[in-house]
Amino acid sequence: SQTIHQWPATLVQPVGSPLSLECTVEGTSNPNLYWYRQAAGRGLQLLFYSVGIGQISSEVPQNLSASRPQDRQFILSSKKLLLSDSGFYLCAWSVNTLNNSPLHFGNGTRLTVT
Amino acid sequence: SQQGEEDPQALSIQEGENATMNCSYKTSINNLQWYRQNSGRGLVHLILIRSNEREKHSGRLRVTLDTSKKSSSLLITASRAADTASYFCATGVQGAQKLVFGQGTRLTINP
Repeated sequence: SQTIHQWPATLVQPVGSPLSLECTVEGTSNPNLYWYRQAAGRGLQLLFYSVGIGQISSEVPQNLSASRPQDRQFILSSKKLLLSDSGFYLCAWSVNTLNNSPLHFGNGTRLTVT
Repeated sequence: SQQGEEDPQALSIQEGENATMNCSYKTSINNLQWYRQNSGRGLVHLILIRSNEREKHSGRLRVTLDTSKKSSSLLITASRAADTASYFCATGVQGAQKLVFGQGTRLTINP
């Protein structure tokens, strides 16, 4: 069966520090991968998605970046965090089709920038 | 930009009653999906309805889709305290392998 791992679960970082959040998927090949951010009590904002190794689509201009160094690994990074980067970050995967397959989410990382 | 918008933002009902949540969207879609999120957790997929379908059932869930009105509804029948969660609709964007989520409905089931 497929599983998705996302870590860390919580993170407190000072403004200006770097960020690296990692997400890995097991039990499937060539998945679509996604990073979403959720502000408190709000909906999900799509940040990045990837349909293959090295292929990254950015949805929102910001100081975050994403990389996909391996087929089942998706990394969210920042060189210098802002207060506005605080939020709940969710990684998800789906089957790689053209028909918008259901997403399978990790348990999220709650990031607090102080 | 957000595509799906849920209504109401919050809903509180008694256990055993039915809960109805609505979703509106703006552009052409491949499908529409509903997800559930317990507090502080990731989302869980509930049900998917394709653009050429009008109604779909899964257990106590019933979803309708009206593409002419660009709207969908999620009905949870015979609600239980364990149904307390936030519910989100998400639209599959034609031509892109991504889902756009709405703001969600916070459902509270009172015992």
